[in-house]
Amino acid sequence: ETGVTQTPRHLVMGMTNKKSLKCEQHLGHNAMYWYKQSAKKPLELMFVYSLEERVENNSVPSRFSPECPNSSHLFLHLHTLQPEDSALYLCASSQEGWNRGRYEQYFGPGTRLTVT
Amino acid sequence: SQQGEEDPQALSIQEGENATMNCSYKTSINNLQWYRQNSGRGLVHLILIRSNEREKHSGRLRVTLDTSKKSSSLLITASRAADTASYFCATDGLAGAGGTSYGKLTFGQGTILTVHP
Repeated sequence: ETGVTQTPRHLVMGMTNKKSLKCEQHLGHNAMYWYKQSAKKPLELMFVYSLEERVENNSVPSRFSPECPNSSHLFLHLHTLQPEDSALYLCASSQEGWNRGRYEQYFGPGTRLTVT
Repeated sequence: SQQGEEDPQALSIQEGENATMNCSYKTSINNLQWYRQNSGRGLVHLILIRSNEREKHSGRLRVTLDTSKKSSSLLITASRAADTASYFCATDGLAGAGGTSYGKLTFGQGTILTVHP
């Protein structure tokens, strides 16, 4: 257990569905991240929230919409996805501060998403 | 081009042998981290080495960093079947503004390590 939980663990959705992925961290961290992991591709950073403010949006299509209501929770809202969006979606958190020099991230177990 | 490319892509060894994985990167870094991922699970942080360090140990793990060659290696000694996993290096660059920063990690594609009992 890393202190980061994700639900659901598995999700199958059609291209016209709307669903949400949830991430919760119990570590008191102030930064949270969404990553996408596809087969045969490096882990891709999608979004970063620092102090509940989105600080990074890595050219992610608008069919992915993040939400960070507080420092412990992070959501990824999904709508009208494509089959190529099928992947493992990982959430992570870290404790960040100015020039702290260490940025290890703690990952949740991921949500395996299949778009049919 | 991506930061953090691991080599080899796959490594198969017998229990008790040592496993060495390499990582190369392209731009200057603040630190380099190694993570492990069991099949279909989240990543687990193993070790972090700062740009001014050359070698670091943690249990059976030994990490080296050569900033002149922009490369790092992860050595797992006396491997066990439970070490079977994918191993990723991640390089970081500071990002953010306004008095705070966060670690923006860029991951490589990983090395799949299989340790046979």
